[in-house]
Amino acid sequence: DAGITQSPRHKVTETGTPVTLRCHQTENHRYMYWYRQDPGHGLRLIHYSYGVKDTDKGEVSDGYSVSRSKTEDFLLTLESATSSQTSVYFCAIRGGSTLTGELFFGEGSRLTVL
Amino acid sequence: KNEVEQSPQNLTAQEGEFITINCSYSVGISALHWLQQHPGGGIVSLFMLSSGKKKHGRLIATINIQEKHSSLHITASHPRDSAVYICAALTGNQFYFGTGTSLTVIP
Repeated sequence: DAGITQSPRHKVTETGTPVTLRCHQTENHRYMYWYRQDPGHGLRLIHYSYGVKDTDKGEVSDGYSVSRSKTEDFLLTLESATSSQTSVYFCAIRGGSTLTGELFFGEGSRLTVL
Repeated sequence: KNEVEQSPQNLTAQEGEFITINCSYSVGISALHWLQQHPGGGIVSLFMLSSGKKKHGRLIATINIQEKHSSLHITASHPRDSAVYICAALTGNQFYFGTGTSLTVIP
């Protein structure tokens, strides 16, 4: 199994509070992704990173920010959580080669915003 | 507009049946992944394809780049195959995902 962990796995918070989710990998993979998964929508990209300090927005990036100061850590921050951000969040990592880059997912973080 | 379309959305099969799940995409891709997600569980990559066919045990995945189509086949299906199967097309640095096929295999 790939070394990828997410924390926290479960969190309940109140509207307006900041929340940070952490994705940690031990594979030294270049690409890291944050997705949210909601019923009827499948997996949607929030932000991704293609290297330390190199990030880009996905299709649902509003209300989210990310940081990657080390290869192994990719942080997702909700500056002021809203109920619409209640979701399951998945981190994924991918090796650098297009043809051989395996894709691995973390276990998911279930966030409830009250 | 969905760049990746899967069919069927839901599928119920009797144990032992041969199952096919289809994935069509409209973008140019460098690779296509088939993913499996059990209820309440994490997501696991089953296959990564850029051409041809791959086989792992009872699972077979094929891709036709010209047709922009991929299929996932399960031979001799088993209740433990019950899960959501998702195809993911890699374009540049990003993936486009299908909405998944929910498979239930009845004993």
